[in-house]
Amino acid sequence: GIQVEQSPPDLILQEGANSTLRCNFSDSVNNLQWFHQNPWGQLINLFYIPSGTKQNGRLSATTVATERYSLLYISSSQTTDSGVYFCAPRAGGTSYGKLTFGQGTILTVHP
Amino acid sequence: DTAVSQTPKYLVTQMGNDKSIKCEQNLGHDTMYWYKQDSKKFLKIMFSYNNKELIINETVPNRFSPKSPDKAHLNLHINSLELGDSAVYFCASSRTDRGSSYNSPLHFGNGTRLTVT
Repeated sequence: GIQVEQSPPDLILQEGANSTLRCNFSDSVNNLQWFHQNPWGQLINLFYIPSGTKQNGRLSATTVATERYSLLYISSSQTTDSGVYFCAPRAGGTSYGKLTFGQGTILTVHP
Repeated sequence: DTAVSQTPKYLVTQMGNDKSIKCEQNLGHDTMYWYKQDSKKFLKIMFSYNNKELIINETVPNRFSPKSPDKAHLNLHINSLELGDSAVYFCASSRTDRGSSYNSPLHFGNGTRLTVT
């Protein structure tokens, strides 16, 4: 199956700093989602981005499917951004939306 | 309105018991999933149903039995619970266009934290 690797595994920031999270995957994909798991355990959809670039407020994401990676940018980080960020692609040729999750990046934003 | 809802939110039980977790979605999706998140936060798919038909079963012990009475519900029944079953279980749903590779984004419920003592 598809292999997913996220980096860095841990990231500590001061409020206001910018950061880039990376997701590498081993196979072609036709779907990729980024999620934020907040301290209460909820999985929040951030982006559905099989290719290209999307922006939502302070967050943006870029997927370069041909090079098998995706990036999540967080600008002007806030303490509420703390939590775990997951990348989850779906391998091309598979059906029914099965996502394979990376191991996550644990983000801590200090005030 | 909650899109994907799971009950209960917390479940504490003893080894050997049988328990169920319920999941309902009101998004009109036709595909539902169960994922398990272990203590290291790793998320792994367990099952997927499309229109009440089992389509993914990922080497899960047969003590776990999903049941889908209709395409809006996917319940998870666990027999003879073991300590290693302690985890957070997430339900999710999406829409699938048969005959194409399109799947809508997966939407997750808030999870059920199962603790087996």
